[in-house]
Amino acid sequence: KQEVTQIPAALSVPEGENLVLNCSFTDSAIYNLQWFRQDPGKGLTSLLLIQSSQREQTSGRLNASLDKSSGRSTLYIAASQPGDSATYLCAVRGGYKLSFGAGTTVTVRA
Amino acid sequence: DGGITQSPKYLFRKEGQNVTLSCEQNLNHDAMYWYRQDPGQGLRLIYYSQIVNDFQKGDIAEGYSVSREKKESFPLTVTSAQKNPTAFYLCASRRDGEYYGYTFGSGTRLTVV
Repeated sequence: KQEVTQIPAALSVPEGENLVLNCSFTDSAIYNLQWFRQDPGKGLTSLLLIQSSQREQTSGRLNASLDKSSGRSTLYIAASQPGDSATYLCAVRGGYKLSFGAGTTVTVRA
Repeated sequence: DGGITQSPKYLFRKEGQNVTLSCEQNLNHDAMYWYRQDPGQGLRLIYYSQIVNDFQKGDIAEGYSVSREKKESFPLTVTSAQKNPTAFYLCASRRDGEYYGYTFGSGTRLTVV
């Protein structure tokens, strides 16, 4: 059974600091890994999708890396802003199923 | 714009009552999913469907039922057999194939009163 862990569970940083969010998974037989953002009481917004054959994916201030052999992914958010405050979820896809971590709740202080 | 529409946004259920959550997508996606989210926990899979008229149980299917009569629609019924239904419910869809990611709806918050 795939287990996905996100560390830390919560993070508070001053505006402008870079954010580093970690995700680990136990079964390396995955199709891809997806990072989502969730605002309180809202649905999930997809940020980045990394295929199992890729090492990283970038979109604007966001960069995600994937090391499938060690079961790790890292989401980097450069020059954080108060609008980046949200919960970030990591999800790995194996077969039909998407397995989620519990998320990292980020607060960016102005 | 294409997307997933979940309704209602908030739903209140009395003890012993069945309620149905709606999920509609206009993305022409083949697969659809229902997840439950509880505070401090990751999302857990309730049911999924890869094609019309076919669906499978996920990890926590007890007390729930679904149907998939149309490609666009995948309603979830929370039955009276579900003892702890208060949660946030999320519907998702995905194109067929191993390279595609998931798209999620905006969720329905169900509360037992």
